[in-house]
Amino acid sequence: DAGVIQSPRHEVTEMGQEVTLRCKPISGHDYLFWYRQTMMRGLELLIYFNNNVPIDDSGMPEDRFSAKMPNASFSTLKIQPSEPRDSAVYFCASSFSGTRKNIQYFGAGTRLSVL
Amino acid sequence: DAKTTQPPSMDCAEGRAANLPCNHSTISGNEYVYWYRQIHSQGPQYIIHGLKNNETNEMASLIITEDRKSSTLILPHATLRDTAVYYCIVRVAVNYGGSQGNLIFGKGTKLSVKP
Repeated sequence: DAGVIQSPRHEVTEMGQEVTLRCKPISGHDYLFWYRQTMMRGLELLIYFNNNVPIDDSGMPEDRFSAKMPNASFSTLKIQPSEPRDSAVYFCASSFSGTRKNIQYFGAGTRLSVL
Repeated sequence: DAKTTQPPSMDCAEGRAANLPCNHSTISGNEYVYWYRQIHSQGPQYIIHGLKNNETNEMASLIITEDRKSSTLILPHATLRDTAVYYCIVRVAVNYGGSQGNLIFGKGTKLSVKP
């Protein structure tokens, strides 16, 4: 299995630009999570989906952030417009509820720098 | 979810056992203890989890005290590649209430394995 795949690995953009981060979960997994990691705040959950439906988006910092999951094999996290304080590493994770072990598998992350 | 307390850092000699402690004195009866680690510039990686019995897998052993208020992750023969931040997380049982919930990451323990 290829694991959770995120793209791009690195993104450098200028303030005000739109940024789209992509995630392909592990095939067969029914939960998908987006996290953000910064030095100040550590790892924090932004939003998660179950069977492509957003369940909890209370961690999304503001309306500039949006996430979609159009199908079971693809999700996007969009920031529009981006700001320097959005600079962070963004992780996607997926899990399968059928095993009842609740183990999340993380991607390698996207390092975002907003100048 | 219950909170956990971990030492901020620990050193271990290569080839020796690394014993990482975690206090979770307010853990509830239906909460499991999960351990993840994050190697530099990578996504978090699941290690092991347990409810009340000691657990062992190919990566580590988990020892949970009888009162469940603390636990220890044991890496039996630490290598340089085990240098990472180790997170102890407690959370409700799998699929509790039909929701996977989320992982609340604290600051973890930075383990440095030295030659």
